[in-house]
Amino acid sequence: AQSVSQHNHHVILSEAASLELGCNYSYGGTVNLFWYVQYPGQHLQLLLKYFSGDPLVKGIKGFEAEFIKSKFSFNLRKPSVQWSDTAEYFCAVGGYGQNFVFGPGTRLSVLP
Amino acid sequence: EPEVTQTPSHQVTQMGQEVILRCVPISNHLYFYWYRQILGQKVEFLVSFYNNEISEKSEIFDDQFSVERPDGSNFTLKIRSTKLEDSAMYFCASSPDRAYNEQFFGPGTRLTVL
Repeated sequence: AQSVSQHNHHVILSEAASLELGCNYSYGGTVNLFWYVQYPGQHLQLLLKYFSGDPLVKGIKGFEAEFIKSKFSFNLRKPSVQWSDTAEYFCAVGGYGQNFVFGPGTRLSVLP
Repeated sequence: EPEVTQTPSHQVTQMGQEVILRCVPISNHLYFYWYRQILGQKVEFLVSFYNNEISEKSEIFDDQFSVERPDGSNFTLKIRSTKLEDSAMYFCASSPDRAYNEQFFGPGTRLTVL
């Protein structure tokens, strides 16, 4: 069965600090990988996605993620966070024709 | 840019009552989904729908739940007899192509069961 784990439940950073949120998945076939963000009081929005090709994918708002197949990981990074990045971040996995499995989420708090 | 819409944004109901949550998927999408997120927990898959029938459902989606596409635009989730534990945020999503797999999420409906 598919599963997704996220390394941190809550991350607290100061503005301008670098961010890396870990995501590991368990799935037996070819996967599509996603990071979604949920700002306070808002709905899920797609940050970035990986289907195939270059394992380093760039998303919106300066986020990027790297797919490392050998480690079953898809970590999210941002070199310099802003207060406006405060949100909940969800890693999600979908196999070909499969429904999404979401990770438990990581809450990011950025202190001004 | 087209988006998924959901109504109402917040629904309060008494335990045992029926509720219908409404979604309007993106117009050219073919696959539709419902997810829920209990406060403080992760987003959980409920059901997927294609070609006017359920294609997959989770163990959460028991006989109390049903989905329908009553016309060409709406996609509804009905809970027949709500329980306290049904209180959650319910997200609708749609996708143009199941193989493509990217899902576009609506803003959610917060359901509160008293």
